[in-house]
Amino acid sequence: DAKTTQPPSMDCAEGRAANLPCNHSTISGNEYVYWYRQIHSQGPQYIIHGLKNNETNEMASLIITEDRKSSTLILPHATLRDTAVYYCIVRVALGSGNTPLVFGKGTRLSVIA
Amino acid sequence: GAVVSQHPSWVICKSETSVKIECRSLDFQATTMFWYRQFPKQSLMLMATSNEGSKATYEQGVEKDKFLINHASLTLSTLTVTSAHPEDSSFYICSAREPGTFGYTFGSGTRLTVV
Repeated sequence: DAKTTQPPSMDCAEGRAANLPCNHSTISGNEYVYWYRQIHSQGPQYIIHGLKNNETNEMASLIITEDRKSSTLILPHATLRDTAVYYCIVRVALGSGNTPLVFGKGTRLSVIA
Repeated sequence: GAVVSQHPSWVICKSETSVKIECRSLDFQATTMFWYRQFPKQSLMLMATSNEGSKATYEQGVEKDKFLINHASLTLSTLTVTSAHPEDSSFYICSAREPGTFGYTFGSGTRLTVV
């Protein structure tokens, strides 16, 4: 699986958009970008994933650069409940096989009132 | 969506006793479950892969005789920490993937404190 690089921490004002970057310069053509988050003392929660097109769901938007070497997770209106560690994971489609997710260090997002 | 139920959510035990953590997939069958361990301010570290009806596969450095995994049915995997010591105090999390879906679902985690 390709390696990812994320900033260790970020702050965001409540109500503002939170933009979390992720570098994955060695991503392969068949690898997707997945985002999970972990709120303190809870299990990780799936947010969104994408291959090359930008994606949006009720939680967030995922912007992937054209060369696919980096991506940005966008929380459009961050709330205090979005304070968590956000993990960017790159790997082949999860629908194939039963290999585990491998977590990096992630970005600790603090949403400030 | 898929739900993985994990309990207990927290447990305190004395040194050299054993603790069992259960992980159940609700409304779907999980032939494979994964167990992670997380120390404070660190990321999740994969401990083992639990396969229904067969032996678990352990990651390097994880003692299989200490962390006993049983996956006796398609909806239940258990992790037993045997002869626990204070250094085993950690946050243990399980996960599974609902067949035909693209995401993994995680349990809510178990905070183990060994005193």
